[in-house]
Amino acid sequence: NAGVMQNPRHLVRRRGQEARLRCSPMKGHSHVYWYRQLPEEGLKFMVYLQKENIIDESGMPKERFSAEFPKEGPSILRIQQVVRGDSAAYFCASSPVSQETQYFGPGTRLLVL
Amino acid sequence: AQSVTQLGSHVSVSEGALVLLRCNYSSSVPPYLFWYVQYPNQGLQLLLKYTSAATLVKGINGFEAEFKKSETSFHLTKPSAHMSDAAEYFCAVTRMDSSYKLIFGSGTRLLVRP
Repeated sequence: NAGVMQNPRHLVRRRGQEARLRCSPMKGHSHVYWYRQLPEEGLKFMVYLQKENIIDESGMPKERFSAEFPKEGPSILRIQQVVRGDSAAYFCASSPVSQETQYFGPGTRLLVL
Repeated sequence: AQSVTQLGSHVSVSEGALVLLRCNYSSSVPPYLFWYVQYPNQGLQLLLKYTSAATLVKGINGFEAEFKKSETSFHLTKPSAHMSDAAEYFCAVTRMDSSYKLIFGSGTRLLVRP
């Protein structure tokens, strides 16, 4: 059973470009969480989604960031008009139901030049 | 609001020595508590979790943690450190509401000296 998949593993963007980060949850998992880890810091919650629904986006910046988890395909975290402060590792986690353990992917490391 | 405090951003032990990583939490409702380990450039791996059953929780790789409500603590221990234990360790808390988002501490980097 494959684990949580994230791609790309590394992403370089120039200021003003768009970044798209993908997360494929473990088989049978319908709950996806996104977290951001800034350098030398712990992980911070961004958004929680179930299939086709955003359940909790209290950690998402108000502008430029969006997330989706369509009926088919991976969850996408989209960052528009990236700035240097967006440089971080973005982790996706999945669980089969909301109160179960979250399993983390390897992360996408975004570098904004 | 919930929060997690990990005392000591860096802990250094000798190989074979006791490992003690401290975690204190704040929660207005009974929490679920977790310890995760992160190796360089990798994702987080679950070490163990507390979900209101036994207060002493055993995890993988010889780690265990004890939930102490009176001290609001969930410290991680291992009797004998191994070189392969060198990594960053994160304590996290969540609550039994609709989202179960994890609130993480700032992490403790464990160094193991030969």
